[in-house]
Amino acid sequence: GQQLNQSPQSMFIQEGEDVSMNCTSSSIFNTWLWYKQDPGEGPVLLIALYKAGELTSNGRLTAQFGITRKDSFLNISASIPSDVGIYFCAGRASPNSGNTPLVFGKGTRLSVIA
Amino acid sequence: DGGITQSPKYLFRKEGQNVTLSCEQNLNHDAMYWYRQDPGQGLRLIYYSQIVNDFQKGDIAEGYSVSREKKESFPLTVTSAQKNPTAFYLCASSIGNRDQPQHFGDGTRLSIL
Repeated sequence: GQQLNQSPQSMFIQEGEDVSMNCTSSSIFNTWLWYKQDPGEGPVLLIALYKAGELTSNGRLTAQFGITRKDSFLNISASIPSDVGIYFCAGRASPNSGNTPLVFGKGTRLSVIA
Repeated sequence: DGGITQSPKYLFRKEGQNVTLSCEQNLNHDAMYWYRQDPGQGLRLIYYSQIVNDFQKGDIAEGYSVSREKKESFPLTVTSAQKNPTAFYLCASSIGNRDQPQHFGDGTRLSIL
């Protein structure tokens, strides 16, 4: 099946630093989503993007739907210890409908050093 | 509270046994999905159902079976034909409208004895 290229695979940062991660696809996407997964739990939706160029914030998190519709990035500002976890990008390739299953990246594992 | 409930949280299977993982949602979502997650890997789609009494294979359906007799329930059976069943299994659901995100349960960890 189709896959997304998510990078970096893992990150170790100091508390208070900003974080950036991104996701790319070989095909055009009409939806980009970012999830966070804590150990032993299911992913939780952070941000959903539906339009090319869209920039959306959720507290210290900001995500953008790339203008080419083939990429998205997630930024976390002023990281704190509870930001630790695995961040997944996910999306749907155009022209799939809303119930078409999402395609997921392999995740970025974030570690925060206090 | 509305949400997706997966049970059990932990499950152990003997060699050659079939086991069934439960997924129930009270969100009135039309679509439901099953994913498998291995350490250091992303989520791989096993089966999905867009409507009651209908389901489709995902990328790794071999050794698994599902049913969708009720809107709120989408159980996954891991059969003895699945030779490497140890993994974290995640159920998700979404509304029937276009471009709506999937929401996940808290997962079931399956281990082989």
